[in-house]
Amino acid sequence: AQKVTQAQTEISVVEKEDVTLDCVYETRDTTYYLFWYKQPPSGELVFLIRRNSFDEQNEISGRYSWNFQKSTSSFNFTITASQVVDSAVYFCALSGNWASGTYKYIFGTGTRLKVLA
Amino acid sequence: DSGVTQTPKHLITATGQRVTLRCSPRSGDLSVYWYQQSLDQGLQFLIQYYNGEERAKGNILERFSAQQFPDLHSELNLSSLELGDSALYFCASSRYRDPQSNEQFFGPGTRLTVL
Repeated sequence: AQKVTQAQTEISVVEKEDVTLDCVYETRDTTYYLFWYKQPPSGELVFLIRRNSFDEQNEISGRYSWNFQKSTSSFNFTITASQVVDSAVYFCALSGNWASGTYKYIFGTGTRLKVLA
Repeated sequence: DSGVTQTPKHLITATGQRVTLRCSPRSGDLSVYWYQQSLDQGLQFLIQYYNGEERAKGNILERFSAQQFPDLHSELNLSSLELGDSALYFCASSRYRDPQSNEQFFGPGTRLTVL
């Protein structure tokens, strides 16, 4: 079965602190994709990153970085020097093997990040 | 602004009724996806259409159906509505067929309230 666990329901940090959002996944597929989305208070979902199971390179985009570790089935998201505008709910998602014919796209329950000024 | 539009923004209806949610994808995008976000179930993928054909099904109830028209806009039909169908329904679009290989752009959502 496929599963995405975001154990942190809510995190509060003070502006300029670094914060890491955890994502642990379960899948039996050898080919899979992991995603992070941001949902700000306005409600729309914003795609942040996609990573396939064969690419374990960490990625950095500005203040955002992602650490993918297959050995621990984790795909963690770090925001460096957090800002108030980072306040949002962040979702981790797992996409199954498309070729298998049964498409699964599983979201975690989300982590609400509050960045205080 | 993602370029994906959804109408209406809000919808209030009664149990047992039927509603239609509409989505227009970004210009040039051939895939449309529907998602449901509720307090009970969280975010769930419902269904995907690619260039007018159903491509993948997720956790979509039999009371729900969707279609994509030749102009690529899509409609999600919800019938025999129940209180538990109250949720935010998102539409997303992407350029290509396989969602894992290309970015999805989300609309602002339609908030459905069933009384």
